[in-house]
Amino acid sequence: DGGITQSPKYLFRKEGQNVTLSCEQNLNHDAMYWYRQDPGQGLRLIYYSQIVNDFQKGDIAEGYSVSREKKESFPLTVTSAQKNPTAFYLCASRMPGQDLLNQPQHFGDGTRLSIL
Amino acid sequence: DAKTTQPPSMDCAEGRAANLPCNHSTISGNEYVYWYRQIHSQGPQYIIHGLKNNETNEMASLIITEDRKSSTLILPHATLRDTAVYYCIVRAPYNQGGKLIFGQGTELSVKP
Repeated sequence: DGGITQSPKYLFRKEGQNVTLSCEQNLNHDAMYWYRQDPGQGLRLIYYSQIVNDFQKGDIAEGYSVSREKKESFPLTVTSAQKNPTAFYLCASRMPGQDLLNQPQHFGDGTRLSIL
Repeated sequence: DAKTTQPPSMDCAEGRAANLPCNHSTISGNEYVYWYRQIHSQGPQYIIHGLKNNETNEMASLIITEDRKSSTLILPHATLRDTAVYYCIVRAPYNQGGKLIFGQGTELSVKP
């Protein structure tokens, strides 16, 4: 089945450690997105990529990094510079350049990151 | 970017229609309105979207006012499984990345 797979489902980070969250999609979508969700809050955009080898900062990019070497993969690294990384992280994808059709974003089931 | 305003919570009786309002008074002419819902600890699920005209699909109906400053999501026969947080979202145009701008959402509780 086509979809977005995020792994791991739960992740724990030690102080000063970088961790990488995986996001893979087999929907053949060009655009991919990373969001952060804090308890009781809506989603906030961290980074997005509309095409391979290109990505843009979202609203809260500080302390995060991404890469987009392959169309189907968009990993997110939470660096030690992110002082408050505990949150629910969601990856999404959509087909860009289809503005007339306005394809919706499809979401994975998220990774919950906690600090040890 | 347009912002949305939704009531924080609503109740609905099982089998009745759930009408979820949303204000987006600063929406611009080329911005679409999307509705998603999120069940606890899962990724948001797409429901419906529209620009000017009312829309209907197998999940819901979307009614957009003529001035586009507000909209209503209608779940015609709510079930217990429709209990979730519902987000009314305005999507930025493609040349701004097409990002979704999430608000706080409405927590809908469907009661037996």
